[in-house]
Amino acid sequence: AQTVTQSQPEMSVQEAETVTLSCTYDTSESDYYLFWYKQPPSRQMILVIRQEAYKQQNATENRFSVNFQKAAKSFSLKISDSQLGDAAMYFCAYRSGGTSYDKVIFGPGTSLSVIP
Amino acid sequence: KAGVTQTPRYLIKTRGQQVTLSCSPISGHRSVSWYQQTPGQGLQFLFEYFSETQRNKGNFPGRFSGRQFSNSRSEMNVSTLELGDSALYLCASSPGLMNDVEQYFGPGTRLTVT
Repeated sequence: AQTVTQSQPEMSVQEAETVTLSCTYDTSESDYYLFWYKQPPSRQMILVIRQEAYKQQNATENRFSVNFQKAAKSFSLKISDSQLGDAAMYFCAYRSGGTSYDKVIFGPGTSLSVIP
Repeated sequence: KAGVTQTPRYLIKTRGQQVTLSCSPISGHRSVSWYQQTPGQGLQFLFEYFSETQRNKGNFPGRFSGRQFSNSRSEMNVSTLELGDSALYLCASSPGLMNDVEQYFGPGTRLTVT
């Protein structure tokens, strides 16, 4: 069965600094997608970034980038130039590939604090 | 463009009752997905609807069901409520099936079962 692990329940970063959130997963599938979601306190969940497993190039969205290591089954999120608005719970997620699937697995989340 | 809306925002029900939650997607979006979020189990995928058809389903009992209307609005129903169904229920919409990166979430419905 697929699993997603986020080993850091809480992390903190100084404003303007860089922080990396870890995520590892386990799967025997070859076709899948990986996601990072952000859930700010009392605000709506946001999809931060998506990575297709078949793509070797790491996904990037502005200050957010991932380090996708397929062989190691690792999918970390790097936030550069951290801002106060980055404070949130971050969830790593796995989804089987294709348009027909039943596996969407979320990690337990990492609570990120940004220190002014 | 209006975002994803969910109604009601808060709900209190008694064990054994049933409940219906509603999700209105962003205009033009045809896919609606539902998730359950609890402190104990975390985030779990319930199901996804696209063009009025359930396309994908997570590992939840048959008490959890849903439907999607021709205007893409979706409802989720939980019958015979249990205490463990207390959760934040999130819906998300996207233009196409979950292959699309354009996924937007609603604010959620907080369900409390007593």
